[in-house]
Amino acid sequence: GAGVSQTPSNKVTEKGKYVELRCDPISGHTALYWYRQSLGQGPEFLIYFQGTGAADDSGLPNDRFFAVRPEGSVSTLKIQRTERGDSAVYLCASIARDRGTEAFFGQGTRLTVV
Amino acid sequence: RKEVEQDPGPFNVPEGATVAFNCTYSNSASQSFFWYRQDCRKEPKLLMSVYSSGNEDGRFTAQLNRASQYISLLIRDSKLSDSATYLCVANRGSTLGRLYFGRGTQLTVWP
Repeated sequence: GAGVSQTPSNKVTEKGKYVELRCDPISGHTALYWYRQSLGQGPEFLIYFQGTGAADDSGLPNDRFFAVRPEGSVSTLKIQRTERGDSAVYLCASIARDRGTEAFFGQGTRLTVV
Repeated sequence: RKEVEQDPGPFNVPEGATVAFNCTYSNSASQSFFWYRQDCRKEPKLLMSVYSSGNEDGRFTAQLNRASQYISLLIRDSKLSDSATYLCVANRGSTLGRLYFGRGTQLTVWP
């Protein structure tokens, strides 16, 4: 596709359940970011991939959060034992390393933990 | 202290007005700066990069003051379509790396 694609667009889950959020970056973009955004706040950094490896995972709030990008393209953000405080919009962005620094965002996954 | 601080507003201005937003960053190692625009319930999109010499794109002017660690965005001749949240962003690297977002400044332009 032409842009960053995130699925699902909405996810409602029960407290304590496991969820996976998927991000399909723009083809050829080597850098991929995960952010989460709560109402009235700016995007909060979670993790950044350069290729297949996590270059910076210092934003992951605790060990319930994990992300992978096994082939350097699609990435999955995994949240175990979800809590109500995890409810937010999870945004994925990608950047083409050789074309400047514009980050292209997907439309996000709105996660609601009930 | 947050890496990037912004006044959340809201700013409510009439069409045709000039409005300015300010932002400060705490880490002097920051090298790249941007303004992103975010419409309600949409994803952020790049509005413009901010260069040391200042730069202009139509009705929008961005300024960077490294000594004061301060970034500004000026919008002239506001349009209804300018209503959105404006996010100030800093990057410690010259190209890639972690992007630090401010909480955003909300602008409403009324007719």
